[in-house]
Amino acid sequence: QSVLTQPPSASGTPGQRVTISCSGSSSNIGSHTVNWYQQLPGTAPKLLIYSNNQRPSGVPDRFSGSKSGTSASLAISGLQSDDEADYYCAVWDDSLSGPVFGGGTKLTVL
Amino acid sequence: EVQLVESGGGSAQPGGSLRLSCAASGFTLGVYTMNWVRQVPGKGLEWTSYISSSSRTIFYADSVRGRFTVSRDNAKNSLYLQMNSLRDEDTAIYYCVRDLGVPYNPGFDIWGQGTMVTVSS
Repeated sequence: QSVLTQPPSASGTPGQRVTISCSGSSSNIGSHTVNWYQQLPGTAPKLLIYSNNQRPSGVPDRFSGSKSGTSASLAISGLQSDDEADYYCAVWDDSLSGPVFGGGTKLTVL
Repeated sequence: EVQLVESGGGSAQPGGSLRLSCAASGFTLGVYTMNWVRQVPGKGLEWTSYISSSSRTIFYADSVRGRFTVSRDNAKNSLYLQMNSLRDEDTAIYYCVRDLGVPYNPGFDIWGQGTMVTVSS
């Protein structure tokens, strides 16, 4: 059971906007920046968003991140079938003295 | 091409040992903080260990502390994970991961393809 809570699943139709939440506490999200990862089926995870809302080179601007208090969100606009993947939030946790990942959200494009 | 390639995975009995290696290419490993992250197939991600560029700072997850040892040889552009006293619950895919290097910020920008470790009697 992770200290970061994500919904186990999310879904949307092509072209829609979906959001995935990540809920934590003052010892993690409340004190540090959040990163998001995308894991396509059968592949290694890929950094999608770092430092709450920064996109690495090559990540489309359809992906955006935000943080407020002890929660963070990943938004995907203009949903595409290729976006079907597992999404994980990650943040440093002061109580655990290390990084923690959320449990992951499986996104289905209907 | 920037790449990380893990090796050394395989099968081990409970209580046994394995040593994972990670070879970096396309960049100088020595300037980067590195991590090992594992994933039980079909399950979520779990960070296990962190080593700074100079090896001066090392962190472990509670689940592996005292059993796993992370090390690096910057001259060989290589990262290692010595896994001792293996348990069934260590069965997972192990990823070698490059860190963006921002303190207290797990921004892992390059991932290897992973190597599977199976612990079973």
